[in-house]
Amino acid sequence: DVKVTQSSRYLVKRTGEKVFLECVQDMDHENMFWYRQDPGLGLRLIYFSYDVKMKEKGDIPEGYSVSREKKERFSLILESASTNQTSMYLCASSLPVLTDTQYFGPGTRLTVL
Amino acid sequence: AQSVTQPDIHITVSEGASLELRCNYSYGATPYLFWYVQSPGQGLQLLLKYFSGDTLVQGIKGFEAEFKRSQSSFNLRKPSVHWSDAAEYFCAVGSSTNDYKLSFGAGTTVTVRA
Repeated sequence: DVKVTQSSRYLVKRTGEKVFLECVQDMDHENMFWYRQDPGLGLRLIYFSYDVKMKEKGDIPEGYSVSREKKERFSLILESASTNQTSMYLCASSLPVLTDTQYFGPGTRLTVL
Repeated sequence: AQSVTQPDIHITVSEGASLELRCNYSYGATPYLFWYVQSPGQGLQLLLKYFSGDTLVQGIKGFEAEFKRSQSSFNLRKPSVHWSDAAEYFCAVGSSTNDYKLSFGAGTTVTVRA
């Protein structure tokens, strides 16, 4: 069974802290994605990776960076967390085919105080 | 640029009644269209997708959607809803010119009353 896991379901951090969100998939997928979900805005793509060490900016990359050192793992980094980064963060993975399904993790609800 | 509009923020429907969720997309060429569902506390799960062929697509959980190019729409339907269908529903569009990226609508929350 397909599985995407995220390191934390809930996370509380303070302004200015460095935050790491981890995502692991067990499907040998080439593509991995980080989205941010906010009420009334749907999902917005932060970063996308199509291979190890390869990444592309999405629609809202400002304030975020990513790391993909292994195929199964994709990390989202908030270098200096701010209150406007309080949100739900969703990771997804897929094969490198547009028509393929994106498989989502359960999400991490991050609160920045 | 591709975009998706879901005009209804919230819909309330009685158990056993029919459900239709609207989705309009903006894209010049043939889009790749998806409906995802997010149950409370869960990630998103694919209900169905369309990229070519028959314009009426069947999905999981008894859902179907119809692609209408003339109306730029991809509406989701279910003939008889169950209480477990209470969730948030997202329409998404992708294109062959935009790599593997999807653009999601804002979502429609469905409440099912007994």
